[in-house]
Amino acid sequence: SAVISQKPSRDICQRGTSLTIQCQVDSQVTMMFWYRQQPGQSLTLIATANQGSEATYESGFVIDKFPISRPNLTFSTLTVSNMSPEDSSIYLCSVEIAGGLTDTQYFGPGTRLTVL
Amino acid sequence: AQSVTQPDIHITVSEGASLELRCNYSYGATPYLFWYVQSPGQGLQLLLKYFSGDTLVQGIKGFEAEFKRSQSSFNLRKPSVHWSDAAEYFCAVAPSGSGGSNYKLTFGKGTLLTVNP
Repeated sequence: SAVISQKPSRDICQRGTSLTIQCQVDSQVTMMFWYRQQPGQSLTLIATANQGSEATYESGFVIDKFPISRPNLTFSTLTVSNMSPEDSSIYLCSVEIAGGLTDTQYFGPGTRLTVL
Repeated sequence: AQSVTQPDIHITVSEGASLELRCNYSYGATPYLFWYVQSPGQGLQLLLKYFSGDTLVQGIKGFEAEFKRSQSSFNLRKPSVHWSDAAEYFCAVAPSGSGGSNYKLTFGKGTLLTVNP
């Protein structure tokens, strides 16, 4: 497994501002992912972030709204831009760790975002 | 497209009672299957996973899950629930195939477990 930390753990932001969320892993990993968990909902994959290449976004998510950086194999950031109350969610990063027959994703503690 | 259904939004059990959380999936082949648990204010923790082989999978914290191909199910069980098991439980699937990369996780909506003393 891996130890994953996120900063901040929670934040309250004003409409129209941006917030950058950091994800740090204690080991080098190839694949990192960002998920959104809206209130009362399940997790939805936002994008896959691989070091050295642009992030790959899922349908419904765009780079202008959720720019992602992946400067090295242990760190990534997700920015939520021009926020609106609909962006209030928990944002989680995850990493894929090889092991056994196949790989497994492990998740960070999440960042709880409230937009007023 | 793959999908996951967790029919029970909220389940309440007494401490010491047995537990079964249901999960059904829709996928063209046998996917990789996972159960995660999310305690209040915490991230997701992997309980167990199924890739192939024995259809009864043992996980952490005394949990097990059984893959039933004929029912497209992967139900989670525990023989005796502890108060610390109160949390939200998510079933997830990923496409199977060569290479083993399972990054396309699709999650169910979760089942909230309440444990009464």
